[in-house]
Amino acid sequence: GQQLNQSPQSMFIQEGEDVSMNCTSSSIFNTWLWYKQEPGEGPVLLIALYKAGELTSNGRLTAQFGITRKDSFLNISASIPSDVGIYFCAGQGSNTGNQFYFGTGTSLTVIP
Amino acid sequence: DTAVSQTPKYLVTQMGNDKSIKCEQNLGHDTMYWYKQDSKKFLKIMFSYNNKELIINETVPNRFSPKSPDKAHLNLHINSLELGDSAVYFCASSSWGSGNTIYFGEGSWLTVV
Repeated sequence: GQQLNQSPQSMFIQEGEDVSMNCTSSSIFNTWLWYKQEPGEGPVLLIALYKAGELTSNGRLTAQFGITRKDSFLNISASIPSDVGIYFCAGQGSNTGNQFYFGTGTSLTVIP
Repeated sequence: DTAVSQTPKYLVTQMGNDKSIKCEQNLGHDTMYWYKQDSKKFLKIMFSYNNKELIINETVPNRFSPKSPDKAHLNLHINSLELGDSAVYFCASSSWGSGNTIYFGEGSWLTVV
């Protein structure tokens, strides 16, 4: 199955800093999703994007559906220790059989 | 109420044994999945079922046999467990078609010794 390219692979930041991560695909997607996984838990949906160019916020998190429909971005502003976890992007497209493909994950560590 | 629930959460078993993981969703979705997360945290799809019918089987060994008795359940049975089967297995569900979201269970941590 297809694996989306997600970067960076890991991040170590100071509390209060902003975070940016992105996800790219060789396929066009109709849906981009962003998840957070904490240790010992399953991925939890953060933001869902359904339209090219769409910019959606969830608290301190903002995600964008790239214009080319082949990429997406997630920003976290003013990071706090509880932001620690692995962030995954996921894409879905009708030309990929409506299946969900996941990124390789970005591991975020926030230093108090 | 837990939307996607899977049991057991932790499973330690010996090589060669047969084990099952159960999954249930109460979201009214018609599509269910099994994903495997390895030590590098990659999420790889194993199976996808839509309305109890197998849609995807991503080159998974035939020791893994999913069973979907109805749209709300998708169980995973594994025969002759091997050391390399140790991983976290996630059940998930969604509505079929484009423009939907996928929801995950809390995972089943399988350790084969």
